[in-house]
Amino acid sequence: EAGVAQSPRYKIIEKRQSVAFWCNPISGHATLYWYQQILGQGPKLLIQFQNNGVVDDSQLPKDRFSAERLKGVDSTLKIQPAKLEDSAVYLCASSLSLGGAGRDEQFFGPGTRLTVL
Amino acid sequence: LAKTTQPISMDSYEGQEVNITCSHNNIATNDYITWYQQFPSQGPRFIIQGYKTKVTNEVASLFIPADRKSSTLSLPRVSLSDTAVYYCLVGDLRDDKIIFGKGTRLHILP
Repeated sequence: EAGVAQSPRYKIIEKRQSVAFWCNPISGHATLYWYQQILGQGPKLLIQFQNNGVVDDSQLPKDRFSAERLKGVDSTLKIQPAKLEDSAVYLCASSLSLGGAGRDEQFFGPGTRLTVL
Repeated sequence: LAKTTQPISMDSYEGQEVNITCSHNNIATNDYITWYQQFPSQGPRFIIQGYKTKVTNEVASLFIPADRKSSTLSLPRVSLSDTAVYYCLVGDLRDDKIIFGKGTRLHILP
């Protein structure tokens, strides 16, 4: 079974530029998550989709971050404009069932390492 | 959401059993306890999940006392490849949010 795919794996941009990340979840997984992981910290949930609807985006900086999941499959996360503090690894994860984080195993992709100069 | 507390780091030696304890004093009735493992430059990977007593799989065991205010992840006979960060999470069935703490950085020595 193919895992969660993410691209690109690495990205270097200058502040105030724009960047987009792509995620392809495991086939059949209804729930998709985007996390931000700053060096030395645990992943922080940015946004959670259930099929193509947003379940939770309370920690997404909406003035610069946006995400979509068209057709309930692939997803893109965009940052515009980027700031220095956005340097982090952006992880995408997917899970099979419709919710219940305490029981729902999440499968993570390898992440995209973003460096903002 | 139940907050978790776990040691920042631990060292152990190859072949030994490693126990990592997580404290979650305000765990709620519907909460499950889940552990993830993260290697450098990779996303976290599910290890084990439990609600009460003991759960065992091919990788680890999870011990949960009756009051469920703590849990212990047990890794039998660790090897160098078990060097990773281990996260304890407590999830509420009624709340889809999941919060990772800083985790425990486990370093296995030869």
